Amino acid sequence: GVTQSPTHLIKTRGQQVTLRCSSQSGHNTVSWYQQALGQGPQFIFQYYEEEERQRGNFPDRFSGHQFPNYSSELNVNALELDDSALYLCASSSAGTGRNNEKLFFGSGTQLSVL
Amino acid sequence: GESVGLHLPTLSVQEGDNSIINCAYSNSASDYFIWYKQESGKGPQFIIDIRSNMDKRQGQRVTVLLNKTVKHLSLQIAATQPGDSAVYFCAERTGGFKTIFGAGTRLFVKA
Repeated sequence: GVTQSPTHLIKTRGQQVTLRCSSQSGHNTVSWYQQALGQGPQFIFQYYEEEERQRGNFPDRFSGHQFPNYSSELNVNALELDDSALYLCASSSAGTGRNNEKLFFGSGTQLSVL
Repeated sequence: GESVGLHLPTLSVQEGDNSIINCAYSNSASDYFIWYKQESGKGPQFIIDIRSNMDKRQGQRVTVLLNKTVKHLSLQIAATQPGDSAVYFCAERTGGFKTIFGAGTRLFVKA
């Protein structure tokens, strides 16, 4: 399955954080979502073949990377209090032009910004 | 705009009864819809999906209905069990690769 690390993280405002995700075997696409308490996940961006191919409405402080083995990192710079949330990684197996691939989610990283 | 909403934030049902979770979507261009289940401490889990050229799809104990005329989606769970207690999200795709989630409905199953 999809594994994420760490499971919990506490940072202070202004710091930087890196979250990690290992895709499910055979999956070449990784999407990152932010889920605030009591809300649905919000799309941050998606990586396919090591390139960002779509981005949601998040500032440039949010950046990512996908490695040749399809694992991924989410980086957030200059942390703000509102960045406190559950960060979810989802992997899928997609080719170009397809939009109906199923997302397989990890259990997330709970980030608290103090 | 981009929004997927839900009619009810919480739903409480008796074990063994059928559950119906409703969802309204706003983008008439959406062509793919998905239901996810999220249990406490876990990420969302795929339940069932439906494309816009269909109006009904059945899985194991679950059925999804799509009414494009009124932009409404529903999830029916037959013979609801305690293990069905979770938050349920409807989600949509409008081309591209972004999945848009609604706010979720919490389902409580009473024994």
